[in-house]
Amino acid sequence: LAKTTQPISMDSYEGQEVNITCSHNNIATNDYITWYQQFPSQGPRFIIQGYKTKVTNEVASLFIPADRKSSTLSLPRVSLSDTAVYYCLVGADRSGANNLFFGTGTRLTVIP
Amino acid sequence: NAGVTQTPKFQVLKTGQSMTLQCAQDMNHNSMYWYRQDPGMGLRLIYYSASEGTTDKGEVPNGYNVSRLNKREFSLRLESAAPSQTSVYFCASTVRDRGGEKLFFGSGTQLSVL
Repeated sequence: LAKTTQPISMDSYEGQEVNITCSHNNIATNDYITWYQQFPSQGPRFIIQGYKTKVTNEVASLFIPADRKSSTLSLPRVSLSDTAVYYCLVGADRSGANNLFFGTGTRLTVIP
Repeated sequence: NAGVTQTPKFQVLKTGQSMTLQCAQDMNHNSMYWYRQDPGMGLRLIYYSASEGTTDKGEVPNGYNVSRLNKREFSLRLESAAPSQTSVYFCASTVRDRGGEKLFFGSGTQLSVL
């Protein structure tokens, strides 16, 4: 199973772009990379998912290099409401036996 | 469409008491999961169910049992609660659409064991 490593915390000023990198050296061929956001007292919420290269949605971008051993979540122009914990998840997608493990996450604090 | 519903939202138990945490999803998802989250920590997988009628252990299954009652419901039981089980418990279900699994979480159950 692919374990993930992320920075424990990051600070950023409002309006800046934030990049959070996740290492997953043991990623399997059929694993996807998914990022979740968690606010206090809430369950995590899906942000973005990718397999390779670059994925962009209305919230974030996800950059995945060719070797797929890491990924970077990019949040453009963060605001105070982006203060949360961000988790990188690499799925073990074995048919009939999915199990999804979270790492420790990155606590992002956006400063006014 | 409520998504993933967990009950109760809060519970206080005495050491040795038993209880069942309920989880139901109305999204017709096949897979369901139970996680626990200790203060300031990430989520740890307790049990999961890839489909109705199947369950498997996750990272921290000791002290827990689960039942996948039907496709909608996945319950977590503490037979003899211990203070170490004080945590917030999250249930989730997954959908796979044009990609990998995507988790949808309930709002959590905050459990205190005294």
